[in-house]
Amino acid sequence: SQQGEEDPQALSIQEGENATMNCSYKTSINNLQWYRQNSGRGLVHLILIRSNEREKHSGRLRVTLDTSKKSSSLLITASRAADTASYFCATVLNRDDKIIFGKGTRLHILP
Amino acid sequence: KAGVTQTPRYLIKTRGQQVTLSCSPISGHRSVSWYQQTPGQGLQFLFEYFSETQRNKGNFPGRFSGRQFSNSRSEMNVSTLELGDSALYLCASEGMGYNEQFFGPGTRLTVL
Repeated sequence: SQQGEEDPQALSIQEGENATMNCSYKTSINNLQWYRQNSGRGLVHLILIRSNEREKHSGRLRVTLDTSKKSSSLLITASRAADTASYFCATVLNRDDKIIFGKGTRLHILP
Repeated sequence: KAGVTQTPRYLIKTRGQQVTLSCSPISGHRSVSWYQQTPGQGLQFLFEYFSETQRNKGNFPGRFSGRQFSNSRSEMNVSTLELGDSALYLCASEGMGYNEQFFGPGTRLTVL
């Protein structure tokens, strides 16, 4: 069963705008990760945030984690056409545990 | 370093047959995980192998099995294929980092 659920399921924005995706999960976690998948291909790891962290940045990506609300958000600033992809959050309950993926948000950047 | 490779990339089988998929992890990675991805169920965890031992297991029937060799290469096998087994099968390897997974391109299995 899915631990994380992304919201929205799909998102279309104009190139240059910011895109925000949210992830909610059910139980306490060790860490939460975000991945990107281009159509029909393997996933690419974007960023990992540990349960004792609140915010992380990587280039145009900003991830926040609110463990009290059991939620995380991924912000992509100044979106580009190449950002068109599906984005998944994944949770790890304990170190060396399996990674559980949500169903993803499909992001489409309009030219 | 070369990335994670999976073979074959595409496979067509008929119901009742069996199939073996192969995954070569990034050199030095000892953990290999397998996932099934379908439009309806999304990404579902199958199992993880670490140093030739199954470390974690998902909720799939016994028709799905795997193994890992001493060089960390892994295979997964699906016996008595069903139409619902049609999916993209992804493997991922993990190094000594903190749970970060490196994914292969996947094997697309079609069961007719």
